Amino acid sequence: AQSVTQPDIHITVSEGASLELRCNYSYGATPYLFWYVQSPGQGLQLLLKYFSGDTLVQGIKGFEAEFKRSQSSFNLRKPSVHWSDAAEYFCAVGGKTGFQKLVFGTGTRLLVSP
Amino acid sequence: SQTIHQWPATLVQPVGSPLSLECTVEGTSNPNLYWYRQAAGRGLQLLFYSVGIGQISSEVPQNLSASRPQDRQFILSSKKLLLSDSGFYLCAWNRQGVYGYTFGSGTRLTVV
Repeated sequence: AQSVTQPDIHITVSEGASLELRCNYSYGATPYLFWYVQSPGQGLQLLLKYFSGDTLVQGIKGFEAEFKRSQSSFNLRKPSVHWSDAAEYFCAVGGKTGFQKLVFGTGTRLLVSP
Repeated sequence: SQTIHQWPATLVQPVGSPLSLECTVEGTSNPNLYWYRQAAGRGLQLLFYSVGIGQISSEVPQNLSASRPQDRQFILSSKKLLLSDSGFYLCAWNRQGVYGYTFGSGTRLTVV
């Protein structure tokens, strides 16, 4: 069965520092991988997605993620965090075949300190 | 362009009362539609999905039901709410064959 693990519930980063949010997935075939961001009380916005090809994908707001098949990981990174990046981040996995259901991780809440 | 609307944004309901949350998508036809629930510390749980009018699939047994009376309308209902139904409910859609969802802004349901 598909599953996603986001091991960090909370992360605090200083403004201007780099960020890495971890995501590990379990999926029996080639996965489709996504990162979403959620501001308080809001819906989720797609940051980036990986389907195939280059394992380093660029997204909106200066985020990028790297797919590492050997480690079953899809970590999200940003070189310099801004205060407006404080939000909750969700990793999700789906499959190429069948219906396009996504399975989400439990999320990582990012706090940005001045 | 396509947009997704959810309402109401917040709702406080007593235990045992009925529920109806509505989601509509504009600017597309025959979308896949989804209802997710987000409980604190538990991520997003898929409740229902639909690939067409009248076609509803349930992911988990629960006190809720879903209906799709029109192509771009998806309704989440309950006849009698439980305290455990409290949470943040999100509607999402995607085009057939296109991966990745677009989410609505959500409904915060508090059952008291």
